[in-house]
Amino acid sequence: DAGVTQSPTHLIKTRGQQVTLRCSPKSGHDTVSWYQQALGQGPQFIFQYYEEEERQRGNFPDRFSGHQFPNYSSELNVNALLLGDSALYLCASSYYSSGNTIYFGEGSWLTVV
Amino acid sequence: QQQVKQSPQSLIVQKGGISIINCAYENTAFDYFPWYQQFPGKGPALLIAIRPDVSEKKEGRFTISFNKSAKQFSLHIMDSQPGDSATYFCAASIGNNFNKFYFGSGTKLNVKP
Repeated sequence: DAGVTQSPTHLIKTRGQQVTLRCSPKSGHDTVSWYQQALGQGPQFIFQYYEEEERQRGNFPDRFSGHQFPNYSSELNVNALLLGDSALYLCASSYYSSGNTIYFGEGSWLTVV
Repeated sequence: QQQVKQSPQSLIVQKGGISIINCAYENTAFDYFPWYQQFPGKGPALLIAIRPDVSEKKEGRFTISFNKSAKQFSLHIMDSQPGDSATYFCAASIGNNFNKFYFGSGTKLNVKP
């Protein structure tokens, strides 16, 4: 049973560029959340998708956007990258009816130079 | 404003000792309090969780103590082992669906052999 998988594992982007990160949820899960984890900090909630709609959003600017596909996989897009966007981006999946139990992927390390 | 405050930032414990990590919260609407363990290069993994209707929950060497009146909860790791060396995060959320988790800033635990 595959867990949450994320790609790419590492990437380097230049300030001002755009990036797309991808996530496949754990088998049977229908809800995907994205978190940003800066070095030495706890994860911060970006947003959550269920039934292809954004259901909740954290305190992140509109430069952060996402999408959920019919197969429950998800993308996180960040436009106009800033140096401060450098972080580990974590995807977490859950089943709607048991939303408290979330499983994290290993994350995508984004470095903005 | 940080919703969940965690201490200490780092902790060194001898093998066989007890590791104690503390968290405090302000929002009395929180009703689910998990602890996550994160190894370098990996995503956080759920360790143990508690709801406010119980004061203690034990799973193996891991125990959560919960003090609703003080709005505090703590993780105790009994008989700490070098393999427990990791970063631990407390978190809190509200409700059962579309959960948005608020994480503490993390405690880096080092168990000396």
